[in-house]
Amino acid sequence: GEDVEQSLFLSVREGDSSVINCTYTDSSSTYLYWYKQEPGAGLQLLTYIFSNMDMKQDQRLTVLLNKKDKHLSLRIADTQTGDSAIYFCAESITDMRFGAGTRLTVKP
Amino acid sequence: NAGVTQTPKFQVLKTGQSMTLQCAQDMNHEYMSWYRQDPGMGLRLIHYSVGAGITDQGEVPNGYNVSRSTTEDFPLRLLSAAPSQTSVYFCASSPGTVNEQFFGPGTRLTVL
Repeated sequence: GEDVEQSLFLSVREGDSSVINCTYTDSSSTYLYWYKQEPGAGLQLLTYIFSNMDMKQDQRLTVLLNKKDKHLSLRIADTQTGDSAIYFCAESITDMRFGAGTRLTVKP
Repeated sequence: NAGVTQTPKFQVLKTGQSMTLQCAQDMNHEYMSWYRQDPGMGLRLIHYSVGAGITDQGEVPNGYNVSRSTTEDFPLRLLSAAPSQTSVYFCASSPGTVNEQFFGPGTRLTVL
């Protein structure tokens, strides 16, 4: 996981926007992904972005990709308590490499 | 479709014991992989397979063996368990190496 870096914790208030950041090192990554892990469960794909795109929006989720800086972010609008989970950034080249995960806590 | 299933859900072993973690998928995916998840380290790839009869090592393969005799099954074997192998193990499958991966629910393993 050392090729993909994320901050470990983020805390926001319900209704605010959350922004989770990720940096990756391999410029040949084909796809970049955001996965969500709820307590006691496996990872579920939230969204992904192809490397030739710079933005993707899907309902409350917005993914921004800055290829020059190798920076990926996930913005969750109107964050709800049900969004509390660990969010993993991942890059895929020949296999998939994950970051350590950001634990998002949403306070009422 | 059941998706990706893993058994057992929990396991406690003594140092030196052996066991097999089972993984099966019913989506006819060619690519399957095993990860371990440790606090603060995310997921690390142990072994992967791009199809029946083909396996390869990932980032942390030592102490683990795999085989892929069918498309559906990809068991992970611990030959002589060590406390350092205490972790949560996830199996995943996907249509290809760079596609969305579908994860199983995980096996929580404790080695005493």
